[in-house]
Amino acid sequence: DTEVTQTPKHLVMGMTNKKSLKCEQHMGHRAMYWYKQKAKKPPELMFVYSYEKLSINESVPSRFSPECPNSSLLNLHLHALQPEDSALYLCASSQTTAQLRSYEQYFGPGTRLTVT
Amino acid sequence: AQSVAQPEDQVNVAEGNPLTVKCTYSVSGNPYLFWYVQYPNRGLQFLLKYITGDNLVKGSYGFEAEFNKSQTSFHLKKPSALVSDSALYFCAVRVTMEYGNKLVFGAGTILRVKS
Repeated sequence: DTEVTQTPKHLVMGMTNKKSLKCEQHMGHRAMYWYKQKAKKPPELMFVYSYEKLSINESVPSRFSPECPNSSLLNLHLHALQPEDSALYLCASSQTTAQLRSYEQYFGPGTRLTVT
Repeated sequence: AQSVAQPEDQVNVAEGNPLTVKCTYSVSGNPYLFWYVQYPNRGLQFLLKYITGDNLVKGSYGFEAEFNKSQTSFHLKKPSALVSDSALYFCAVRVTMEYGNKLVFGAGTILRVKS
């Protein structure tokens, strides 16, 4: 099973709202990622978690707050977003360098976020 | 900086003809290279990877890619294109950082297969 699930599929929120995106995988991967993707552009890395600890933050604004409560779950908490934050938010997972059996990342279907 | 480049914004091919989507890389050391495909309003699907070994890598859905060290290229190929192959294709390289690894993607190439 190479499935990464994301909820919700679509989300519309106002600039004063607080919402959360959720991601789940059961492949035993210990690295999880959040990406932001604009239409017809490559994904842009936001955060990397390795063994449930934040290892990479690509200078993402604090209105995006990631959380990794356990090895299977990854959340992205959203607060006071701007219209330019509207995008497809993708979650991915992979084995870590220590696990070292494969290197590819597996992506979820994404959450289409619209900020009004 | 480690990067990949996809020189074509769009590739058009007739159904049944062979297709090639180009990717070149700029990497220090041994490259870990990947191809992903994205259908409209979907996440990225992993197609294939080159880590080491045979320069011709076979992947999902009949795709293959040829790693060429002298030309620093990793072109995606398929002998006979299908209309259903029409999608956005990304080449990517794995970059090792101090506290983890990340993928750096090319700009993407739209593949249109016409019947």
